[in-house]
Amino acid sequence: KAGVTQTPRYLIKTRGQQVTLSCSPISGHRSVSWYQQTPGQGLQFLFEYFSETQRNKGNFPGRFSGRQFSNSRSEMNVSTLELGDSALYLCASSPGPSFYEQYFGPGTRLTVT
Amino acid sequence: GESVGLHLPTLSVQEGDNSIINCAYSNSASDYFIWYKQESGKGPQFIIDIRSNMDKRQGQRVTVLLNKTVKHLSLQIAATQPGDSAVYFCAERGNQGGKLIFGQGTELSVKP
Repeated sequence: KAGVTQTPRYLIKTRGQQVTLSCSPISGHRSVSWYQQTPGQGLQFLFEYFSETQRNKGNFPGRFSGRQFSNSRSEMNVSTLELGDSALYLCASSPGPSFYEQYFGPGTRLTVT
Repeated sequence: GESVGLHLPTLSVQEGDNSIINCAYSNSASDYFIWYKQESGKGPQFIIDIRSNMDKRQGQRVTVLLNKTVKHLSLQIAATQPGDSAVYFCAERGNQGGKLIFGQGTELSVKP
């Protein structure tokens, strides 16, 4: 079974721009969660989607948003990029909600200049 | 607030020895815990999980112990190998399944 895939793997953007990241979960998994990983803050939860509905949201500003499609694929969007948004963005999928048996993708490395 | 922290930021062991990585959590209502391994340049890899109604769970070469009395979680790796070198994270699911909170991570270094 293929794992979680994320595209693109690397991205360089300029401050003020917006970015969309994509995640394809493991086949059969209906839940997708997003995380931001930085050296200073570690791994921080962004949001969780299950059956196209956002179930939970972390403590991030409204510039961070996401959605899930009927095929369970998910996208997250960051608008008005700031330098501090430079991070590794990780997507994880699980069969159902609430993070049971959650598996991560390789991440998208976003650099904001 | 909720937090998960690790007692040791780095751990160095000899190949073949057993490793123990520790994690403390502050939310006594947390009901699910996961250990992840992250190698450089890769996403976290699921190792093993445990629910709060269990004290111990074993996998292949790994054992997770949960002590709810002192809010402590540990990961034991038997016969540690060079391929086990990585950063290990514990994560707890907050009460009511709200979100997954990660610890800061422990870097395990295995000396051949």
